[in-house]
Amino acid sequence: AQSVTQLGSHVSVSEGALVLLRCNYSSSVPPYLFWYVQYPNQGLQLLLKYTSAATLVKGINGFEAEFKKSETSFHLTKPSAHMSDAAEYFCAVSQTSYDKVIFGPGTSLSVIP
Amino acid sequence: GAVVSQHPSWVICKSGTSVKIECRSLDFQATTMFWYRQFPKQSLMLMATSNEGSKATYEQGVEKDKFLINHASLTLSTLTVTSAHPEDSSFYICSASLNSGPQETQYFGPGTRLLVL
Repeated sequence: AQSVTQLGSHVSVSEGALVLLRCNYSSSVPPYLFWYVQYPNQGLQLLLKYTSAATLVKGINGFEAEFKKSETSFHLTKPSAHMSDAAEYFCAVSQTSYDKVIFGPGTSLSVIP
Repeated sequence: GAVVSQHPSWVICKSGTSVKIECRSLDFQATTMFWYRQFPKQSLMLMATSNEGSKATYEQGVEKDKFLINHASLTLSTLTVTSAHPEDSSFYICSASLNSGPQETQYFGPGTRLLVL
């Protein structure tokens, strides 16, 4: 079975500060890991995905995530927060890049001017 | 890139009526589609896996007779909420799998917001 936990249901950062959203996973098989962003009243947008090619994954909008097998983590970072980054972020896991996705509970990011 | 559409984008209906939501893969064939449900301020929960030409596989706790899924073609899956009640009000999101080639991944639709009065 696969599962995802996200530490911190709500994170606030100042504009220009580092964004760090935490994700830990559990999987009995090598996982495929994803980060999605959801803006209010909208659907999902894929930020990035890990498919075992490289442990440091770069995504859109300046986000990146590092896969650490020893820590079973896939934390999302961005060097400098922008007001437009305020949204809900979901970490997710799957057995393949196209199989059903198990989502974490989500982290709401607020950016303070 | 691959696109998945959903129709309608939002729907309001009276309690007891049935609502059909369509999920289409616009530029690729998807043998597998997934249906998720998201309640306000919550995460997405998988409801069922829809395979073209066969019966859907429902997750534990999801009533198959209430949420009818039909995947009649490689580009269309439908979710029908039968005898909808206010507790069925939710955001329903589908996804379609492209499982071949360098672009293999899962593409999500924009979602359908259902409000049952």
